Amino acid sequence: GQQLNQSPQSMFIQEGEDVSMNCTSSSIFNTWLWYKQDPGEGPVLLIALYKAGELTSNGRLTAQFGITRKDSFLNISASIPSDVGIYFCAGQRGDYKLSFGAGTTVTVRA
Amino acid sequence: GAVVSQHPSWVICKSGTSVKIECRSLDFQATTMFWYRQFPKQSLMLMATSNEGSKATYEQGVEKDKFLINHASLTLSTLTVTSAHPEDSSFYICSARDRLARETQYFGPGTRLLVL
Repeated sequence: GQQLNQSPQSMFIQEGEDVSMNCTSSSIFNTWLWYKQDPGEGPVLLIALYKAGELTSNGRLTAQFGITRKDSFLNISASIPSDVGIYFCAGQRGDYKLSFGAGTTVTVRA
Repeated sequence: GAVVSQHPSWVICKSGTSVKIECRSLDFQATTMFWYRQFPKQSLMLMATSNEGSKATYEQGVEKDKFLINHASLTLSTLTVTSAHPEDSSFYICSARDRLARETQYFGPGTRLLVL
């Protein structure tokens, strides 16, 4: 079920700007995942974090697994038009089920 | 690697008919797959966990007789929406757990169901 608090809900950004979004939870998770979903498509995995404190990059994306295991953030540097979409955080429990945030809708102004 | 496919990508059916959706892991074996439902502008809602060789487990409030799940092999799970009604219209997405990739879940492209 949806147990994660994801913010912001939406953002309009200028091309070239950096973007930050985060997720918090009252529960501890073993794994934090960040997905991007385009309209009419399934979520695509961007970054997976497996260890508390882990900081991982994937191109212009950087994400961190919070020390308390209850939070994570995602940064996008130098945004481009194709960064438009909905970004979801997800926490994975020991039973492998995912809890999702409500999503952050990113719109880039060219 | 880690590709999950779904078929069909969209389907329109008449009320009262049954619809089967397939989820396949193309390049890895998945002992566990998950089925989600997503309404417009909302997040993904977990419906059920599909376990290879055993019965699926359903989330609270999901009717198991309405949404039949069969996980017949390590690469295929099917979701059958029985006696579909307009309120079953939704975007259905599956995911597959890759044990060899630290249990990471990869999602299919989704199936759009419209019940008339």
